[in-house]
Amino acid sequence: SAVISQKPSRDICQRGTSLTIQCQVDSQVTMMFWYRQQPGQSLTLIATANQGSEATYESGFVIDKFPISRPNLTFSTLTVSNMSPEDSSIYLCSVDNWDTEAFFGQGTRLTVV
Amino acid sequence: DAKTTQPTSMDCAEGRAANLPCNHSTISGNEYVYWYRQIHSQGPQYIIHGLKNNETNEMASLIITEDRKSSTLILPHATLRDTAVYYCIVTSTGTASKLTFGTGTRLQVTL
Repeated sequence: SAVISQKPSRDICQRGTSLTIQCQVDSQVTMMFWYRQQPGQSLTLIATANQGSEATYESGFVIDKFPISRPNLTFSTLTVSNMSPEDSSIYLCSVDNWDTEAFFGQGTRLTVV
Repeated sequence: DAKTTQPTSMDCAEGRAANLPCNHSTISGNEYVYWYRQIHSQGPQYIIHGLKNNETNEMASLIITEDRKSSTLILPHATLRDTAVYYCIVTSTGTASKLTFGTGTRLQVTL
């Protein structure tokens, strides 16, 4: 199993600013994933973050808007850049260490005003 | 990965079995059926998964039809704490990589 801590748990940000979300895992994991959950919607994968290489982004998501770092096997950050109200969502970190189940953080609830 | 179809919402009385269906008619032979749930304001939680055979664990049972085109998640004795959105996901990997979430079924357990 894996225990995932996300910071901050929630934030209210001004449009045009950027927010960096941190994801810390209590064990070394191979892959980390970032998801977005817009209000009332399901989860959508943003990107896959592997240590030692650039993140792989899903269709509709770009590095300039959502830069990701993965400096080691227990930590990753997602930055939401130049925010607009449309970026108001819950952002979730997930890990897969070749187990048969994914583990998710509690999410970061972002409101952009 | 195969697309899934689930009812938008279901109700279940506390103490009764909750049977949540999922259609995945385009599933391929190497694709697994996974179930996750998301309780309000929390991250998704793994429930169970299977390939061909029925599976049971401490949380639930998973019944997969012989042609693998549909499955049913069974919560044998639903409680109020089982109120959540339940996602049926089909993935070609045997691990938890890159999950594609559909709209899920909102299960409301009532007294």
